[in-house]
Amino acid sequence: QKEVEQNSGPLSVPEGAIASLNCTYSDRGSQSFFWYRQYSGKSPELIMSIYSNGDKEDGRFTAQLNKASQYVSLLIRDSQPSDSATYLCVIGGGSYIPTFGRGTSLIVHP
Amino acid sequence: SAVISQKPSRDICQRGTSLTIQCQVDSQVTMMFWYRQQPGQSLTLIATANQGSEATYESGFVIDKFPISRPNLTFSTLTVSNMSPEDSSIYLCSVVGQSNTEAFFGQGTRLTVV
Repeated sequence: QKEVEQNSGPLSVPEGAIASLNCTYSDRGSQSFFWYRQYSGKSPELIMSIYSNGDKEDGRFTAQLNKASQYVSLLIRDSQPSDSATYLCVIGGGSYIPTFGRGTSLIVHP
Repeated sequence: SAVISQKPSRDICQRGTSLTIQCQVDSQVTMMFWYRQQPGQSLTLIATANQGSEATYESGFVIDKFPISRPNLTFSTLTVSNMSPEDSSIYLCSVVGQSNTEAFFGQGTRLTVV
């Protein structure tokens, strides 16, 4: 049984700060790692994907992957109130069926 | 990326009735999934919709309650049968892109059973 663990939060950060979201996973065979953002009442939307160890940056977002530690994180720089949402860590394997974490609620306050 | 049209976007239904949710994709995709998201919870996989054969259901979900059709590589339906208030959830259609990596989601169907 694949497991994806996230702290449910809420994580509260002030506007302009760095928000750090973390995720661990159980399946060492996992190959694909994603972060989705879900606003209340809306469907999840893909914001970052990462497949190899290290950092991947896209605008204010940086995904970090450490396969040896089975750990993936998402950093959001210069956090904005519009970033307030639930962030879902999603893991994929060879025969891809997405496994979702429970999500971390992020609150960015002015 | 794949563009997914899911409908209806919301519905209020009487207990004991059934609702069919449709999912249309703008391109052929190999893998399609149906998820449920109960209030305050993460997504739970109901089943994998298989083209031309019976869906593969996850533990706790059965075909009699959630019959699924997938007549081709761009379309699937999920029926929620004999509904009860416990079925009130958001139901999401999802597909995996051509590269077999990212997942994409329909807009979701917000179902309320009264």
